[in-house]
Amino acid sequence: QQQVKQSPQSLIVQKGGISIINCAYENTAFDYFPWYQQFPGKGPALLIAIRPDVSEKKEGRFTISFNKSAKQFSLHIMDSQPGDSATYFCAAKTGGSTLGRLYFGRGTQLTVWP
Amino acid sequence: EAEVAQSPRYKITEKSQAVAFWCDPISGHATLYWYRQILGQGPELLVQFQDESVVDDSQLPKDRFSAERLKGVDSTLKIQPAELGDSAMYLCASSLITEAFFGQGTRLTVV
Repeated sequence: QQQVKQSPQSLIVQKGGISIINCAYENTAFDYFPWYQQFPGKGPALLIAIRPDVSEKKEGRFTISFNKSAKQFSLHIMDSQPGDSATYFCAAKTGGSTLGRLYFGRGTQLTVWP
Repeated sequence: EAEVAQSPRYKITEKSQAVAFWCDPISGHATLYWYRQILGQGPELLVQFQDESVVDDSQLPKDRFSAERLKGVDSTLKIQPAELGDSAMYLCASSLITEAFFGQGTRLTVV
């Protein structure tokens, strides 16, 4: 059973456009929601993360929007650049506990055309 | 900048042979994870350590996989015997409290 459902599977955006990736979860025990960026042949790199006590978090061109009642969260990449082309994974964890397990979505392959 | 170190980066092994991967977490990180990532999918947890103790190995195929973290620092993941379906990226991650940081991974190909 997929704990975190991610869509779309692939996304093509023109340079300067907005990339939006969506995730949904069911387990209300999750209280930490990170996004990871992964380039081919590399390990995932932590991009940005949010806790459910806030509805939005912004870091540079990257924004997480969080809807606790709908159990959904999304990543917005503003002014998308070719260098943003990578696979993005959302994840969820019981962040308050060091024993929490991190569950990943299936990933979204983003391609930004120049 | 502190990093999670993994070796080897790439490994090709024949079916039924033994293979081992090594991970050195970020200094001071008590939690260590081993994940398996099949091409085109998200990472899936194999085993999680808190110091030297296993706290979650529910998804580890224990008939062929084993993991240890004897002194609560570095860790080794072993597969014996390797099967064709084990071809994947094996990722190690470590965490102090909440944020998990990944290494570069070991790409395993079983032929």
